[in-house]
Amino acid sequence: EAGVAQSPRYKIIEKRQSVAFWCNPISGHATLYWYQQILGQGPKLLIQFQNNGVVDDSQLPKDRFSAERLKGVDSTLKIQPAKLEDSAVYLCASSLDRRGSYGEQYFGPGTRLTVT
Amino acid sequence: GEDVEQSLFLSVREGDSSVINCTYTDSSSTYLYWYKQEPGAGLQLLTYIFSNMDMKQDQRLTVLLNKKDKHLSLRIADTQTGDSAIYFCAESKAYSSASKIIFGSGTRLSIRP
Repeated sequence: EAGVAQSPRYKIIEKRQSVAFWCNPISGHATLYWYQQILGQGPKLLIQFQNNGVVDDSQLPKDRFSAERLKGVDSTLKIQPAKLEDSAVYLCASSLDRRGSYGEQYFGPGTRLTVT
Repeated sequence: GEDVEQSLFLSVREGDSSVINCTYTDSSSTYLYWYKQEPGAGLQLLTYIFSNMDMKQDQRLTVLLNKKDKHLSLRIADTQTGDSAIYFCAESKAYSSASKIIFGSGTRLSIRP
């Protein structure tokens, strides 16, 4: 099966600019996650969707970050305006989450964002 | 609380065993995981253990879980250069039909010839 796809792979922007990332999860996976991974740290959950509804966005800086998952498939994550501290790798993951599954998340390759 | 802690670095000689340790705080976790991240790549699930198990073995990998001490370890037997990566310990919390995973900061494993 095809894996989780993300684009772009790399993005360099200046502070106060806006940027958007795209994710296409594995077909049939109901749950989609966006993580922020700052260099030297583990992934931190930003937002979790179940189909096209938000399950958890408690760690999403809502004054500048937004995410949507239209039709319960693809998702976009936007930052507007970007700050220097947003420099990180943004990882998208998806999971099946059926009864009896063990909650494995499948990760995309990530988008490396550099804010200058 | 939600906190998963790991040591940052581990260096082992090729052919030796590697043991990566992790502590977690939430005793209600249902599954505990080990993920591997190679440079420039996303995370890949290596193995997992259900919270009512003490041990799980999968080829060169052995996972030990001590629920009383909230301690998880990953042993890699006969460590090879291809095992060089960052290893993340993670715990899951299930709510309704979706699970949330909390990751540690990762242990960078380097292999000496």
